[in-house]
Amino acid sequence: TQLLEQSPQFLSIQEGENLTVYCNSSSVFSSLQWYRQEPGEGPVLLVTVVTGGEVKKLKRLTFQFGDARKDSSLHITAAQPGDTGLYLCAAPIKAAGNKLTFGGGTRVLVKP
Amino acid sequence: EAGVTQSPTHLIKTRGQQATLRCSPISGHTSVYWYQQALGLGLQFLLWYDEGEERNRGNFPPRFSGRQFPNYSSELNVNALELEDSALYLCASSLPSFIPGSYNEQFFGPGTRLTVL
Repeated sequence: TQLLEQSPQFLSIQEGENLTVYCNSSSVFSSLQWYRQEPGEGPVLLVTVVTGGEVKKLKRLTFQFGDARKDSSLHITAAQPGDTGLYLCAAPIKAAGNKLTFGGGTRVLVKP
Repeated sequence: EAGVTQSPTHLIKTRGQQATLRCSPISGHTSVYWYQQALGLGLQFLLWYDEGEERNRGNFPPRFSGRQFPNYSSELNVNALELEDSALYLCASSLPSFIPGSYNEQFFGPGTRLTVL
């Protein structure tokens, strides 16, 4: 089992629809990051959330860190084909010297 | 500011051969991480180097090894290549963890696509 569980694993939607991706754990994290990876490229950092209950917005993307800092969500409003990619959440593991551990990822496909 | 660079972009080897992959971190970053990503799958952590030392290692056999040089660049070596080693190998770098607000944010290179025939 992974320390960070992402759901769903795959999401296929039509352009203009909304979607939400979840990242859950039983552990408490000091911070949590979201990355997006497009095919054949390296992941790109989208946002870092630090405070429990924190909400950050990046254009049509809204990121929320759970009050207990054990979970996070990514919501995309009016998705566009350019949002297609693999979305990864990641968090540092204090017991491992703050090594970043990644969730399994959610593959999002936005059809025109 | 230049991002993380990796070379080569593509590498084709045959079973039993050795592969060497290289990574140059962002200027000022002292940590380098290596990940393996098989086609269509998530990231599997391989190695973490910081200040020239190996800090952590993923669940991979010893034939996966690496090092970090004084200029913080890094090399990943894979010996006795097997077919299942075919994957995208990603390198990432981050600021020193003691810097406030760094949160171990990682910045990735474009990867090296290794194909083992």
